[in-house]
Amino acid sequence: EAGVTQSPTHLIKTRGQQATLRCSPISGHTSVYWYQQALGLGLQFLLWYDEGEERNRGNFPPRFSGRQFPNYSSELNVNALELEDSALYLCASNGREGLSQPQHFGDGTRLSIL
Amino acid sequence: EDQVTQSPEALRLQEGESSSLNCSYTVSGLRGLFWYRQDPGKGPEFLFTLYSAGEEKEKERLKATLTKKESFLHITAPKPEDSATYLCAVPGNTGNQFYFGTGTSLTVIP
Repeated sequence: EAGVTQSPTHLIKTRGQQATLRCSPISGHTSVYWYQQALGLGLQFLLWYDEGEERNRGNFPPRFSGRQFPNYSSELNVNALELEDSALYLCASNGREGLSQPQHFGDGTRLSIL
Repeated sequence: EDQVTQSPEALRLQEGESSSLNCSYTVSGLRGLFWYRQDPGKGPEFLFTLYSAGEEKEKERLKATLTKKESFLHITAPKPEDSATYLCAVPGNTGNQFYFGTGTSLTVIP
């Protein structure tokens, strides 16, 4: 069974640019979660999508946004990039039982802002 | 307020020296507690789910246990390949999300 896949693996941008990160969940999973993990810090919750709808978002500015497609894949968009946006962005998925099931993570996209 | 706290922040063990990691939580009406292992530059790898006090799960040198207020990850006779950051997470009660602890960084010295 294929796991959660994320692309690209690495992304280098400059301040003010826009970044798009992509995630494909495990087959059969309907929920996708996005997290930011800055160097040496814990996982910060960004967004939760389920069945194409945004279920919750964390304490991040509106320039962090995303969507979920009919095939349950998802993308995270970050506009007006700032230096502090440099981090590992992790995507996770789980099934229809939502928060009662463990999440399964991809290996992330390393976003570097120059 | 939903909260998860892990201790210690860092732990160095000699190979073969058993120890325990702690995860305490303040979520009421627990809907599950999840343990993960994270290697540098990688995503967290799911290890265990615990749903009720008294429950235990084992995998190789790892055993996870759960009480009403905390969980322990016991590591028996660790090997260098067990070196990683171990994370625990719970689904929030008041918050519609998972809450992660900041992790315990485990280093096992040969």
